[in-house]
Amino acid sequence: EVQLVESGGDLVQPGRSLRLSCAASGFLFDDYAMHWVRQSPGKGLEWVAGINFNSGSVGYADSVKGRFTISRDNAKNFLYLRMESLRPEDTAFYYCAKDEGSRWYKGYFESWGQGALVTVAS
Amino acid sequence: QSVLTQPPSVSAAPGQKVTITCSGSSSNIGKNLVSWYQQFPGTAPKLLIYDNNQRPSGIPDRFSGSKSGTSATLGITGLQTGDEADYYCGTWDTSLYIGRVFGGGTKVTVL
Repeated sequence: EVQLVESGGDLVQPGRSLRLSCAASGFLFDDYAMHWVRQSPGKGLEWVAGINFNSGSVGYADSVKGRFTISRDNAKNFLYLRMESLRPEDTAFYYCAKDEGSRWYKGYFESWGQGALVTVAS
Repeated sequence: QSVLTQPPSVSAAPGQKVTITCSGSSSNIGKNLVSWYQQFPGTAPKLLIYDNNQRPSGIPDRFSGSKSGTSATLGITGLQTGDEADYYCGTWDTSLYIGRVFGGGTKVTVL
């Protein structure tokens, strides 16, 4: 059974940094692309970032480009999201999602974690 | 403002049918596969339909998907109270912006 468990969500001040982690199990982690998708309270889904199976290619939403960095450790079965220069509009639940394929730029989100809440406020 | 357009809400009585449309453009739905996700309040989204019209194992055949041109449609027949949730369409865009895109979501209410 696929399991994705996010951690690292917290209350942070604007301008500060935070790193989210996602522990993956139940599948061959290094065969699949992975993503972060966020949802502000009461709002819809927004794709944040994706990474290929081998970290060879990554992609970001325009809203986070230059501030967020997605990475993965295939030896440890972990996905990460480094978030810098955080803004109040970054406040959201951040979901880790498994792709159905190996490339981040196409496909669908096959499995989702339970989400980690990031609140950016002073 | 979402790249894909969905109605904010649809409703119908138990046993009836609802359809949710998802409108896009030639750079997303027009050339790429569409997926649908179901989300209950306070929980993570769940894959409902993939590759326009395929259901993952465990998804009842009351749920169906289709695509025509730059629009996709999710249908739910034999509506049940347990179907009350938010539904999102998704695909990827291959214009100047390359990335995954979602619709704004549709709240299904069972009257």
